Amino acid sequence: AQRVTQPEKLLSVFKGAPVELKCNYSYSGSPELFWYVQYSRQRLQLLLRHISRESIKGFTADLNKGETSFHLKKPFAQEEDSAMYYCALSGPGGSTLGRLYFGRGTQLTVWP
Amino acid sequence: DAGVTQSPTHLIKTRGQQVTLRCSPKSGHDTVSWYQQALGQGPQFIFQYYEEEERQRGNFPDRFSGHQFPNYSSELNVNALLLGDSALYLCASSLALELRGYTFGSGTRLTVV
Repeated sequence: AQRVTQPEKLLSVFKGAPVELKCNYSYSGSPELFWYVQYSRQRLQLLLRHISRESIKGFTADLNKGETSFHLKKPFAQEEDSAMYYCALSGPGGSTLGRLYFGRGTQLTVWP
Repeated sequence: DAGVTQSPTHLIKTRGQQVTLRCSPKSGHDTVSWYQQALGQGPQFIFQYYEEEERQRGNFPDRFSGHQFPNYSSELNVNALLLGDSALYLCASSLALELRGYTFGSGTRLTVV
């Protein structure tokens, strides 16, 4: 069964410190992984997707199929990074095409 | 472009009543998906509509139904409301060929009392 696990409900770091938000998944095929972010009083928005292999706002995430992980990292956290982060996966095709499975989210707080 | 528009923003209903939530997709999008987000949880997939048909459905009872109109807008209906249906209901639109490029609305906060 498809499942996304975000073990940390809350994560706090100081400005300038590295940050890593953990995400583990279970999926029988080859999934597509995403990170979504929700800033205070804003709607859920896509941060990055693993197939793009891009860096958005200094964040990167590498898909590790061996460890079934897709951790989100940033070397130097900024106060504006404070938000709720959701890891999500989608099946590459078939009956799960386009359907997203979300983790419960990690609330990141960056202190000044 | 207003993006995805959902109405109403907040709603209070009594147990046993019926409710209809509405969604207008982002301009150019033709697929609408609905998600339920309970407090402290991530969004859970309810169903997806494309070409006015339900294409996929999550693990939700038949009390949850939907509709998509020719202009791609969509409605989510919930019958016989339960206290446990209290949640934020999110609408997400996308283009059929790029189903993973979701744009989310701000959601409708439903409270069942």
